[in-house]
Amino acid sequence: KNEVEQSPQNLTAQEGEFITINCSYSVGISALHWLQQHPGGGIVSLFMLSSGKKKHGRLIATINIQEKHSSLHITASHPRDSAVYICAPCPDSNYQLIWGAGTKLIIKP
Amino acid sequence: NAGVTQTPKFRVLKTGQSMTLLCAQDMNHEYMYWYRQDPGMGLRLIHYSVGEGTTAKGEVPDGYNVSRLKKQNFLLGLESAAPSQTSVYFCASSRRTGMSEQYFGPGTRLTVT
Repeated sequence: KNEVEQSPQNLTAQEGEFITINCSYSVGISALHWLQQHPGGGIVSLFMLSSGKKKHGRLIATINIQEKHSSLHITASHPRDSAVYICAPCPDSNYQLIWGAGTKLIIKP
Repeated sequence: NAGVTQTPKFRVLKTGQSMTLLCAQDMNHEYMYWYRQDPGMGLRLIHYSVGEGTTAKGEVPDGYNVSRLKKQNFLLGLESAAPSQTSVYFCASSRRTGMSEQYFGPGTRLTVT
């Protein structure tokens, strides 16, 4: 059983739509990271959160520690949001990130 | 600041050849990591370092060696390349453990024929 599951694996939406990407994990964690991998391959960190909600521009990340679940939302999606979004929980046992396989998002104009 | 840089960006090796990938960071980070990324899979940790002169095995260390002689550099070596090591390799660094943001290099695409 994978320790981290992301859903959906692939998502295609129209520009302007509200996007939700989900991440479920099975271990106790200290924090959870969301990252974005651009079509060209570069990986950048979007959020690190350990409780509640964080917002940056049109991106919102939420986490429910008790339910072992996190979501990444994108409001007013744009074609430049097309990328792979990766969830990476940080276990409180060893602090080495567990990497999700990613959600490939395509936003069509 | 350049952030995290990787050299080379692309490389093709024949089976059995050796090579070294260089990662450099200018953020004075203590922690550095080498990952590989294969199609359809998440990043997998090869080796990591928690400070100058230290290294530790990650999830998939076999066939790789690393060294961290200087705080800003983390080298990944393949002594005898195999086709199974065809992958994209990413280096990353962070101020602390998984509780701090990781900064990634642009990646090295390695093909072993």
